[in-house]
Amino acid sequence: EAGVVQSPRYKIIEKKQPVAFWCNPISGHNTLYWYLQNLGQGPELLIRYENEEAVDDSQLPKDRFSAERLKGVDSTLKIQPAELGDSAVYLCASSLGYSYNEQFFGPGTRLTVL
Amino acid sequence: AQKVTQAQTEISVVEKEDVTLDCVYETRDTTYYLFWYKQPPSGELVFLIRRNSFDEQNEISGRYSWNFQKSTSSFNFTITASQVVDSAVYFCALSETTTGANSKLTFGKGITLSVRP
Repeated sequence: EAGVVQSPRYKIIEKKQPVAFWCNPISGHNTLYWYLQNLGQGPELLIRYENEEAVDDSQLPKDRFSAERLKGVDSTLKIQPAELGDSAVYLCASSLGYSYNEQFFGPGTRLTVL
Repeated sequence: AQKVTQAQTEISVVEKEDVTLDCVYETRDTTYYLFWYKQPPSGELVFLIRRNSFDEQNEISGRYSWNFQKSTSSFNFTITASQVVDSAVYFCALSETTTGANSKLTFGKGITLSVRP
C-alpha cells in the first residue's frame, strides 16, 4: 500500500515569492492534515480536513497561507508571499479520522526562504 | 489545554545499552490517546504505539516497551539493548476527544537519541 506522498521534497525560494506544496494521502483516508515542523520542534497543526471541509484551520496564518482539498483526496498548501520565518518542514498526514487512529505522515517538504 | 512535555532533549548511549525516553502530559479529558512516533534522519514520522487512557497495562514489542502511569501522567518509552538503527528523534503525542477537534495531535518537542557503535 502506498504511503502519503508529498512533493516537492525540497524547495528554495526568495522571500516574497509564492510557493505551493502538494500532498496525496493514503487511499481511503478521509482526514488530511498539514503540519509545520520547525527545527528542533515537534509538528504543529496548521489545518485539518474531513473530506473537502476544513474543520480546524485555527492555526493557519490566513493572511499568507491558504489550502484546498477540492475533491476530498489530494491537497495543496500555498504560501504567498513567503517570509524568511516560513523556512521549515511542511508535513502532510492522513488518517481515518478518529482520535484513536494513528496518523500516517509523508516525508515532508523542506522549505528554505532566502 | 493539552500539553506534552519531553524534558530530555538529547540522549547519547553506546550500543546495547538500555535507554528510557520520558513523556509527561497534561489534559482535562478523561478519555484520551497517547502515541509515540519515531522520526529517522529521512524525516518521515513513523508510528510506534498508541495507548488509550483506560488501559494502563505496560506493553512490550521486541526491544521496545512502554510504561503508562495515569497517576503521574507519564507515558515512558524504553529501548532495551539499543542499536545504531534506533538513532532518531522520538516524539510523544496526545490526542483528546472532547475539544471539538477530534484527532488533533499535540506533540512534544522530541528527544534526539544517538546510539554509538
